[in-house]
Amino acid sequence: GENVEQHPSTLSVQEGDSAVIKCTYSDSASNYFPWYKQELGKRPQLIIDIRSNVGEKKDQRIAVTLNKTAKHFSLHITETQPEDSAVYFCAASGRVNNDMRFGAGTRLTVKP
Amino acid sequence: NAGVTQTPKFQVLKTGQSMTLQCAQDMNHNSMYWYRQDPGMGLRLIYYSASEGTTDKGEVPNGYNVSRLNKREFSLRLESAAPSQTSVYFCASSEPGQGRSPLHFGNGTRLTVT
Repeated sequence: GENVEQHPSTLSVQEGDSAVIKCTYSDSASNYFPWYKQELGKRPQLIIDIRSNVGEKKDQRIAVTLNKTAKHFSLHITETQPEDSAVYFCAASGRVNNDMRFGAGTRLTVKP
Repeated sequence: NAGVTQTPKFQVLKTGQSMTLQCAQDMNHNSMYWYRQDPGMGLRLIYYSASEGTTDKGEVPNGYNVSRLNKREFSLRLESAAPSQTSVYFCASSEPGQGRSPLHFGNGTRLTVT
């Protein structure tokens, strides 16, 4: 099955700085890459996703890039705010959307 | 719409006891999933059901059984609970028939096995 690795495990930035989280995947057939944000004690919620026919996608302060050749994808958050503090998970799914695998998560702390 | 509803929210079991975690979704999704979440290990797939009447093992199926009761409901059963099954369990659903689509998660069940 798919194996997803995520780095770093923890990330601390100053408010207003950018944050970058990187993930790699093992299955070259994977073609859907969502990112989830999980606040303490709550469920994971989708913040952005990208499909394999697209190299980059932006939504306001959040962007995701995908390099299919290298099998890695990244989450970029610009102008970070304290409310961005949470655990972020990347995920990948393959031929069918029935076996979605997650990275181990990145705890992002934005210091005011 | 309530989305994905899980019950119970909290549960404490003794080693060897059994229990069933319930999950229901009202989004008419075909696919449903059970994940467990442990500190530093992200979300690991236990079982999934691509459609009503089918179930498949994920990464960590040992010690668990599932039932896709109908299109709405997908239950997870622990036959003989062990301390290693102490975790937060999330149910999720998706609609892959519309192309690759995100998972919608329930609020989770926090299970402690003593």
